[in-house]
Amino acid sequence: QSVLTQPPSVSAAPGQKVTISCSGGSSIIGNNYVSWYQHVPGTAPKLLIYDNSKRPSGIPDRFSGSKSGTSATLDITGLQTGDEADYYCGTWDNRLSAGRWVFGGGTKLTV
Amino acid sequence: EVQLVESGGGLVQPGRSLRLSCVASGFTFDDFAIHWVRQVPGKGLEWVSHISWNSANIGYADSVKGRFTISRDNAKNSLYLQMNSLTAEDTAFYYCAKDRRAAAGTDNVFDYWGRGTLVTVSS
Repeated sequence: QSVLTQPPSVSAAPGQKVTISCSGGSSIIGNNYVSWYQHVPGTAPKLLIYDNSKRPSGIPDRFSGSKSGTSATLDITGLQTGDEADYYCGTWDNRLSAGRWVFGGGTKLTV
Repeated sequence: EVQLVESGGGLVQPGRSLRLSCVASGFTFDDFAIHWVRQVPGKGLEWVSHISWNSANIGYADSVKGRFTISRDNAKNSLYLQMNSLTAEDTAFYYCAKDRRAAAGTDNVFDYWGRGTLVTVSS
């Protein structure tokens, strides 16, 4: 059971838009930055979004992130077949004294 | 180009040990914290451990605390994970991931990852 909750799967047609949600408690997402990662099995995961809504260099603006309260969202517009992958949200969980990094359970995107 | 290459995975019996390595290139290794993250095949990502740039700040997930030891050799641009008392629940792909910061904190971001090495714990 992941600390962060994501839908197991989403799907949409090429060219369409999809939204992936990530929800957690106020002491997790509510107080910390969220990042998003794309992972095609067998390859290295890739950072898509950091600090809730910033894109690293090289990530197209079809990918966007936002956060509101205790939830975060990843939007992907103009879907391409190459976007098929697993998507994970992640953040810092400081509920315990030592703190730890936590990820959502992942969302499989089918285009 | 930033590259992280893990090695050392394989098949190991329950209760035995294994040491993973990660060699980094393309960036100033000793400027950044590095993490180990694992993924059970077909499951999600699980953060395992982190080490700050100078090894002064180290953390572990509860699931591996007391059994795994993270270390780094900045002269060799290398990260290690010594895994002892392995169980079937440790079977996973293990990834090393570079942080954008020098030490752990609430705004850590895993900005580059390796392709992982598979550890299988089975008799």
